[in-house]
Amino acid sequence: QTQLVQSGPEVKKPGASVKVSCKASGYTLSSKGFTWVRQAPGQGLEWMGWISGSNGNTNYAQKFQGRVTMTTDTSTSTVYMELRSLRSDDTAVYYCARGGVVGGTAWLDPWGQGTLVTVSS
Amino acid sequence: QAVLTQPSSLSASPGASASLTCTLHSGINVASYRIYWYQQRPGSPPQYLLRYKSDSDTQHGSGAPGHFSGSKDASANAGILLISGLQSEDEADYYCMIWHNGAWVFGGGTKLTVL
Repeated sequence: QTQLVQSGPEVKKPGASVKVSCKASGYTLSSKGFTWVRQAPGQGLEWMGWISGSNGNTNYAQKFQGRVTMTTDTSTSTVYMELRSLRSDDTAVYYCARGGVVGGTAWLDPWGQGTLVTVSS
Repeated sequence: QAVLTQPSSLSASPGASASLTCTLHSGINVASYRIYWYQQRPGSPPQYLLRYKSDSDTQHGSGAPGHFSGSKDASANAGILLISGLQSEDEADYYCMIWHNGAWVFGGGTKLTVL
């Protein structure tokens, strides 16, 4: 059974960085792409970017360019998303999902359980 | 004008059918796009339901219930998620998504109430 398990909740101060992990089981990273989506409290879904599990190529949403870095560790089948210079409006649940590959596995399935990141002074 | 617009809420009765719309910006043509639909129940991550571009280009998620289907209304420039035989467990938020200008774009979501 394929699933994605994310790291636990985080509380950060404004200006800090957060790194969220997403461990895949049931398949190898190298054959898939992975997408990060966030959801602010009571709000809708927002695409942050995508990373290739095979070669590490990335495609970040323009809004997050320069502030986000997505990486993979194939030895542990884990995908990471680091967001820097955190602001209060970065408070959200961050999801990883397999897919998002245009021309390939574009649909996002499965999703991780989500990681709540709270940014507060 | 947003790229994708969804009504914020919709109510329907158990056993009835519900059509959830996802209207594309007037500058882009729904015929050109694959539209992806997701369901999100309270406190849970989204779940992939289906993809629809045309009757010959459609795909259901492996875990998606069989009473969900997709279509388009070209006159309204909209994608449609049709839910037939509504059940209480269909009460959830529903999001549409397209690939546009090098980015994945989500609609604002529709909260479906089954009562």
